[in-house]
Amino acid sequence: QQQVKQSPQSLIVQKGGISIINCAYENTAFDYFPWYQQFPGKGPALLIAIRPDVSEKKEGRFTISFNKSAKQFSLHIMDSQPGDSATYFCAARMDTGRRALTFGSGTRLQVQP
Amino acid sequence: ETGVTQSPTHLIKTRGQQVTLRCSSQSGHNTVSWYQQALGQGPQFIFQYYREEENGRGNFPPRFSGLQFPNYSSELNVNALELDDSALYLCASSLGGGGADTQYFGPGTRLTVL
Repeated sequence: QQQVKQSPQSLIVQKGGISIINCAYENTAFDYFPWYQQFPGKGPALLIAIRPDVSEKKEGRFTISFNKSAKQFSLHIMDSQPGDSATYFCAARMDTGRRALTFGSGTRLQVQP
Repeated sequence: ETGVTQSPTHLIKTRGQQVTLRCSSQSGHNTVSWYQQALGQGPQFIFQYYREEENGRGNFPPRFSGLQFPNYSSELNVNALELDDSALYLCASSLGGGGADTQYFGPGTRLTVL
């Protein structure tokens, strides 16, 4: 019930291409869905987040698409750059109780120049 | 940078020992959450402290304990270390009851148990 499933495990994209990472969840009590970016040796940094009352949110080159009925959400990175090479985690959180983040297993993105 | 600091950066312990990790939250934040990130995996929630009280706990045994101080900094203590405790330990601070707002992560403490 608490799982967030993330795919793919790794992704190689050419510079300028679109990177797409997908996540699915089961617990319908989740109501906050952030994406984090993590570079080696660093802690996760918040990229963008969405709540289920909207289907899409865009910030710069990063877009979250959210499908509430399918219980799926995805991160799209437009015009991918070598500096985007990092590990990306989706996460989910309930707005009640302890409000801990439940993370996906991560996607290692490599953007080739 | 998030303003969340953790110490030490790296730590090597042997099985059965005890360890204390420290976290200073971002200025103004009153909630600290601790996560364990095993190699190649996503962070797993250990517990959360809000205004010096434990405010929720993940699926970790009692030998994982914590503390939050009046200045909202926090400690994670692990007793009777096991090999599987080797991981990156992350703390995240946030503002609001129960960590309602965005959680900002520190750089982590890399713990190796031999």
